[in-house]
Amino acid sequence: AQKITQTQPGMFVQEKEAVTLDCTYDTSDPSYGLFWYKQPSSGEMIFLIYQGSYDQQNATEGRYSLNFQKARKSANLVISASQLGDSAMYFCAMDFGNEKLTFGTGTRLTIIP
Amino acid sequence: NAGVMQNPRHLVRRRGQEARLRCSPMKGHSHVYWYRQLPEEGLKFMVYLQKENIIDESGMPKERFSAEFPKEGPSILRIQQVVRGDSAAYFCASSLMVSNEKLFFGSGTQLSVL
Repeated sequence: AQKITQTQPGMFVQEKEAVTLDCTYDTSDPSYGLFWYKQPSSGEMIFLIYQGSYDQQNATEGRYSLNFQKARKSANLVISASQLGDSAMYFCAMDFGNEKLTFGTGTRLTIIP
Repeated sequence: NAGVMQNPRHLVRRRGQEARLRCSPMKGHSHVYWYRQLPEEGLKFMVYLQKENIIDESGMPKERFSAEFPKEGPSILRIQQVVRGDSAAYFCASSLMVSNEKLFFGSGTQLSVL
């Protein structure tokens, strides 16, 4: 069965500190894509970062990086130098090659000033 | 270049009424996906459409729900005879290619069934 798990329902982090949001997955398919989305209180889904299963390098986008450990089947999101505007729900998602994303249950991140 | 546009932003319906949710994909995108998000949960896939074709509707309830993406105009998600359990946020996403590498979401429609 294909499954994606986010074990941290909520996190509180001091402003300017780095944050790691956990995501693990389970699939026997060798080809897949990993995504992270941010959902602020306004509700929209904002694409943050993408990693393909065959990508050799960990993906980075500005302050976001993806710590991709294929053998462990984990794809943690790292946010450097957190800001108050980073407070939001964060969803890990996977594409198993069937044109539809499977989402985790999300982590609510709160940045403390 | 406008993003994915969904309307209405909020929709209130009484039990038994119909709900119509509209989605205009990004310019040039011909692949549209609908997802549903229940409170405190992640998004769940419903249906994947290309222009005038339903490609995958495996996540759609068999009854009362339908989706279309006509040659001209927005994609429509239609829910007939709504029930309280249909209350959720409905998100539309679009992409340029089949791969989900660049999947852009709209702001969602919050459906509340009284």
